[in-house]
Amino acid sequence: DAGITQSPRHKVTETGTPVTLRCHQTENHRYMYWYRQDPGHGLRLIHYSYGVKDTDKGEVSDGYSVSRSKTEDFLLTLESATSSQTSVYFCATSEGAYTGELFFGEGSRLTVL
Amino acid sequence: AQSVTQLGSHVSVSEGALVLLRCNYSSSVPPYLFWYVQYPNQGLQLLLKYTSAATLVKGINGFEAEFKKSETSFHLTKPSAHMSDAAEYFCAVTRSGGSYIPTFGRGTSLIVHP
Repeated sequence: DAGITQSPRHKVTETGTPVTLRCHQTENHRYMYWYRQDPGHGLRLIHYSYGVKDTDKGEVSDGYSVSRSKTEDFLLTLESATSSQTSVYFCATSEGAYTGELFFGEGSRLTVL
Repeated sequence: AQSVTQLGSHVSVSEGALVLLRCNYSSSVPPYLFWYVQYPNQGLQLLLKYTSAATLVKGINGFEAEFKKSETSFHLTKPSAHMSDAAEYFCAVTRSGGSYIPTFGRGTSLIVHP
């Protein structure tokens, strides 16, 4: 299994505060993804990265930014958290595009009060 | 636009019964298709994948899926359900519309009754 760790695993914050979630991988995979999981919506892509400093938006990117300064780290930032961003966030990696299997972290549960 | 549709947000079966979870896709090019499973409070893990080789794909834990181009389907089956199969199952597609970015269905929760 790919070594993917997310931190923090749980966080409670207040509306308007900044939040950063970290994803760290030990597999040297090129591609990294941030998804959010909400009941009835499945997994929706927030942002993804196809290399160091190469990132792009997914379908629900508003209110989120990302950075990837090293192959192993992919950060997701909520500049000013809102209650609608209460969710479970999953980081995933893959070695290749198209046929690449995704390897997932265990998720970060974020509650915005 | 969603390119993967999972029919039924919940499927309930008895232990020992056939499991059938449905997935339909839309794609203008031959897709690559995946099934993932998520156990409570965990991330997703790959069950099986179709990448244009054999149309019947066998995965872990006795699951299999068949790619049917004429029906644009990739349904997941298991002959005999076990209590440990209770989980959330997600169908995903890449290469739909030319994108390599995985797109997921909304998931199907499998409930197994004793």
